[in-house]
Amino acid sequence: NAGVTQTPKFRVLKTGQSMTLLCAQDMNHEYMYWYRQDPGMGLRLIHYSVGEGTTAKGEVPDGYNVSRLKKQNFLLGLESAAPSQTSVYFCASSYSANYEQYFGPGTRLTVT
Amino acid sequence: GENVEQHPSTLSVQEGDSAVIKCTYSDSASNYFPWYKQELGKRPQLIIDIRSNVGEKKDQRIAVTLNKTAKHFSLHITETQPEDSAVYFCAASTDYGGSQGNLIFGKGTKLSVKP
Repeated sequence: NAGVTQTPKFRVLKTGQSMTLLCAQDMNHEYMYWYRQDPGMGLRLIHYSVGEGTTAKGEVPDGYNVSRLKKQNFLLGLESAAPSQTSVYFCASSYSANYEQYFGPGTRLTVT
Repeated sequence: GENVEQHPSTLSVQEGDSAVIKCTYSDSASNYFPWYKQELGKRPQLIIDIRSNVGEKKDQRIAVTLNKTAKHFSLHITETQPEDSAVYFCAASTDYGGSQGNLIFGKGTKLSVKP
């Protein structure tokens, strides 16, 4: 039982490049989330999904897109990376609203 | 929308002392309040949570109290140990409406326990 996994663990992008971060969970959770964590800012919700085929915007969605084609996977895309998107990205999943969120190990992204 | 304020931002205690971290929230519809611990370079992990229908919850050395009227909740750690050193985040969410289940996090408290 791997829990929540994320790929890649590290990535360096140049401004304007695109990439996709993959999150996978094997707990059959309905809800999945993408957060970014910046020093002194806590965790901020980018996008979330309440079930397969659904997505919705969180607190800081600009510059990101997401897709949830399969229940176990939640993809976060950056179409044109900017230095302001340098951050640590965490994926999480939960059984339902107001249940424990299980976090992945994180992806450290640097945009130069 | 919901706003969660967390204090202090840093806290240093001697091993064996107690530590208290306080959070306030703005949305009276919030009814779920978890606390996450994040060790350096690791992922956040839930240590305790409380729902709005109770005022206090304990789990060994950790306790959380909730005051719905004042819209604040606190984490209490007794008999602190060096392994309690980490960043602690409070959060709030509601289970109804368009943003159900979305956690709004405080900015974190870095706890250092000195042996």
